[in-house]
Amino acid sequence: NAGVTQTPKFQVLKTGQSMTLQCAQDMNHEYMSWYRQDPGMGLRLIHYSVGAGITDQGEVPNGYNVSRSTTEDFPLRLLSAAPSQTSVYFCASSLGGGRAYEQYFGPGTRLTVT
Amino acid sequence: GQSLEQPSEVTAVEGAIVQINCTYQTSGFYGLSWYQQHDGGAPTFLSYNGLDGLEETGRFSSFLSRSDSYGYLLLQELQMKDSASYFCASSGDSWGKLQFGAGTQVVVTP
Repeated sequence: NAGVTQTPKFQVLKTGQSMTLQCAQDMNHEYMSWYRQDPGMGLRLIHYSVGAGITDQGEVPNGYNVSRSTTEDFPLRLLSAAPSQTSVYFCASSLGGGRAYEQYFGPGTRLTVT
Repeated sequence: GQSLEQPSEVTAVEGAIVQINCTYQTSGFYGLSWYQQHDGGAPTFLSYNGLDGLEETGRFSSFLSRSDSYGYLLLQELQMKDSASYFCASSGDSWGKLQFGAGTQVVVTP
């Protein structure tokens, strides 16, 4: 199993550009989440999904969109990039319900917005 | 809302024991998880406490007291490879909505 994969590993955007960060998992996990990590601020939840077709907002959803059309994929779209979105983005997945505390993380995407 | 508080840094020598405390305030609470993250890497799951008490996994143990809204991660027989950041996390009003503390950087010295 590949686990959780993310592409790209690195990305540089100009302010105002849009892009999609890809995330896929092959563990048949029900739950998937997107986090951003900034220095000294830990991981902050952007959006999460508890199953295909179901998404909800986390702590910092503004400027990001998600959709979940399949169990395997959970892409994150930046609508109009801003320097404040410079961060490391992690995708994670877990089994559902009572096992959601054990999340498996992808390797991350390091995004710089200039 | 939720908040999880943990110390920013702890330094200890090889072979020592380190305790990382985590206090939380949440509108709902299912349990406390702990994750490890090495520099430049992804977080990895270490331990979970759904009930009060101690959970032991090798050199690492985790404890939870719901009445005190408090938990800790205990790292025993510290090794250089334990130098990393450690995060506590909890789900508040939804299982899928995991919130993390800001992390504790553990520095192990020879």
